[in-house]
Amino acid sequence: EPEVTQTPSHQVTQMGQEVILRCVPISNHLYFYWYRQILGQKVEFLVSFYNNEISEKSEIFDDQFSVERPDGSNFTLKIRSTKLEDSAMYFCASTARGGSGNQPQHFGDGTRLSIL
Amino acid sequence: KQEVTQIPAALSVPEGENLVLNCSFTDSAIYNLQWFRQDPGKGLTSLLLIQSSQREQTSGRLNASLDKSSGRSTLYIAASQPGDSATYLCAVKVGYSTLTFGKGTMLLVSP
Repeated sequence: EPEVTQTPSHQVTQMGQEVILRCVPISNHLYFYWYRQILGQKVEFLVSFYNNEISEKSEIFDDQFSVERPDGSNFTLKIRSTKLEDSAMYFCASTARGGSGNQPQHFGDGTRLSIL
Repeated sequence: KQEVTQIPAALSVPEGENLVLNCSFTDSAIYNLQWFRQDPGKGLTSLLLIQSSQREQTSGRLNASLDKSSGRSTLYIAASQPGDSATYLCAVKVGYSTLTFGKGTMLLVSP
């Protein structure tokens, strides 16, 4: 079965540095998402992306964050000037259709980001 | 603002038992509800998706129900097995694309 793949599985970064988390969504999917899960807390929506632009974002997704689809297969989340509170598991997800379409979102295994 | 609550937070049962996990949400204006399984240190595996117009969905030993008007969903697991041990997450789709998650129920099935 097709999978969403994320790299790296674990990223350790010094506070203030920039990180790029990478995702390869399922190949025929059109809608892409980033979520995060701080240890012991709920999974939280960050941003959705369709047709090369952001379609929705949460209040967490401020100017520190950006997303990009640099080519036909990758979807990236960039976090500039990382802070200790950015430490979390970051999940990428994709779906064939968005909006009111009732397609399940398929998640990757996540990248554990540790800020020191 | 949509809030999703899952009860119980943790559940421990002997193998073979049937069990029910509960999910409630505060705003009934949802597009769908999705149940996920999360193993420790792993991603989320989609188990079932119920459209807002549906009452239930079944997959193998799993059955999920949805009562949108009362803001409730249940996940029924029949004849539980040790391999079912995981955290089960409920998420509702609000807005155009956002999933709002509950905190999950941690299930332990002992042999």
